[in-house]
Parts: sequence; structure tokens; C-alpha cells
Amino acid sequence: GQNIDQPTEMTATEGAIVQINCTYQTSGFNGLFWYQQHAGEAPTFLSYNVLDGLEEKGRFSSFLSRSKGYSYLLLKELQMKDSASYLCAVTLGNGQNFVFGPGTRLSVLP
Amino acid sequence: EAQVTQNPRYLITVTGKKLTVTCSQNMNHEYMSWYRQDPGLGLRQIYYSMNVEVTDKGDVPEGYKVSRKEKRNFPLILESPSPNQTSLYFCASSIQGSEQFFGPGTRLTVL
Repeated sequence: GQNIDQPTEMTATEGAIVQINCTYQTSGFNGLFWYQQHAGEAPTFLSYNVLDGLEEKGRFSSFLSRSKGYSYLLLKELQMKDSASYLCAVTLGNGQNFVFGPGTRLSVLP
Repeated sequence: EAQVTQNPRYLITVTGKKLTVTCSQNMNHEYMSWYRQDPGLGLRQIYYSMNVEVTDKGDVPEGYKVSRKEKRNFPLILESPSPNQTSLYFCASSIQGSEQFFGPGTRLTVL
């Protein structure tokens, strides 16, 4: 079967840096996405990794190690509006079969 | 405005009464998907479609049907809903190798 793990909850302080980890055991790995989801809203895209290494996009960066089955999302200069759930998703096979992790709920405190 | 729309946004129904949740996108995307989201379980893919008349099962297809007769529309059909299908449903669309755009969600309650 497919298995994706993320911490359930994390707390950080405004202005700080936080790293959200994602580990996966899947067959036919294609790529890995990170999404942000505010309570009661739809997920929105943050980043996509296909190859090993770091992808940087403003305050957000994502890292992938395919050999280790590991990714992380790094959020810098945290703001209150970053309080949300962060979803890790792996695509399999043809790239359209998505398997999501349970999500990590991040609370940013003043 | 580029968007994915779903209707209805909220629905309360009774066991066994057939229902359809519509999904439409105006971005000319080839790929469309349906998900359900339940507390503690995250998003789980129900069905996806890679183009018109091409659909495939995701991880939790039991009790659901889909069709893709036109590129822009991808309705989700529950022929005989049961209480365990009470959930928050999201439709999404994308092009190959790119991020998915999600609709606003449909909150379904089956009594």
C-alpha cells in the first residue's frame, strides 16, 4: 500500500522559521506536491518537486530526497496568516493518481 | 477569471436518494479529479480523468461514479448514498505535470 506521514500539529512564533517534514513509502513515485489549506477553504498550491534538491519560492522552500522517501517544507519569516494545514501529496504512475498525507496543522503565535 | 466551480456547496440528503455534484473548470485542463476529505484521514482521491471519456479509479472509488463527456465538466454521482459518504468533497483540475486547482468544496451530509 501507499503510506505518507506528517506530524499532526506544529506551533511556531511569528517571524521564526519552521520545517514541516513528510516521509513516504509508495510505489511508482512520480513527484511530490505541497499545498496549503486554511480552515474551511480549498487547498492551494505551494510547491512541486520532481528531482532531488531544494526548490525555493519566496518565503517557502521545499526539499526532496527520492532515495530516502523524504521531503520537507521550510517556511521563513512566519506570519500569522501562515496558520493553516500543510498537505504533502505524492503522485504515482501516470502523474494523476494523487496520494495525500494527513496534513500538518501549523499554528503561528504572536 | 480562471476557476473550478462546484454545485451544490452544501447538501443534506437521506440514505438511498441518488445525487449528483457538478464540477466545471474554465481553464481547458485535461485532468480532473474528485477527492473526499475527512478529519484525520486527509484528502483521498475518489476518481480522476485524464481526458474526455477517460476515467480511472483513485483510492476510494466504492459507492461513486463519474463521467467525462465534455472536457470542462466532471460530475460525481452517488447512486445510493449512505451515511459513511458524509464528507467534504473537492473537485480539482490541472494540466500534465502541474499543480491542481481546487474547487471551493461541497459539504455533503447523508442522514
